[in-house]
Amino acid sequence: DADVTQTPRNRITKTGKRIMLECSQTKGHDRMYWYRQDPGLGLRLIYYSFDVKDINKGEISDGYSVSRQAQAKFSLSLESAIPNQTALYFCATSLGGLEDNEQFFGPGTRLTVL
Amino acid sequence: AQTVTQSQPEMSVQEAETVTLSCTYDTSESDYYLFWYKQPPSRQMILVIRQEAYKQQNATENRFSVNFQKAAKSFSLKISDSQLGDAAMYFCAYRSANDRDSNYQLIWGAGTKLIIKP
Repeated sequence: DADVTQTPRNRITKTGKRIMLECSQTKGHDRMYWYRQDPGLGLRLIYYSFDVKDINKGEISDGYSVSRQAQAKFSLSLESAIPNQTALYFCATSLGGLEDNEQFFGPGTRLTVL
Repeated sequence: AQTVTQSQPEMSVQEAETVTLSCTYDTSESDYYLFWYKQPPSRQMILVIRQEAYKQQNATENRFSVNFQKAAKSFSLKISDSQLGDAAMYFCAYRSANDRDSNYQLIWGAGTKLIIKP
């Protein structure tokens, strides 16, 4: 079974719709992240969370919100989707502490906003 | 701010040959981590190899090795005996060892598409 799962894997929606992308992990990691991948730009950090009560904005948080429902669950919401939010979205986790030098990624969600 | 540059949008290599992917980075820090991630068509992001900046010895993982040149801020990936399964996008990434200043984020290059010719 995958350690980091994302749902849905693919989603097509229309401008103005509210969208939620979900991430679950069974690795027992405290830290979770949401990234966005655009062609030619690598990955960019949207939000990150160190525990249920600790959520922080990343490089490109505008237009997005997150919810850390439990240690294992971290959701990303687009309140009113727009076409330039069309991208591949990745959730990642890491252990934290002195050993926090590797992030583990989910399979990604491809979102298309028409 | 730190930046990571991968100057080769695409590389191709004959199966069983050796290929080197380039990565340079810019930072004023002395302690950091560098990573190579592989992204095959399945989209999964897979860690290939990791280097700690304080270690002078180049990291190796089976057929994958790095040439870490700290003074030149260069971190290239060498793939020996290339296999068809190595075909993927390869991303170089940087992370500060100073968590408080870095916001714990990875800084990513734009990626290099590696094509393996049978």
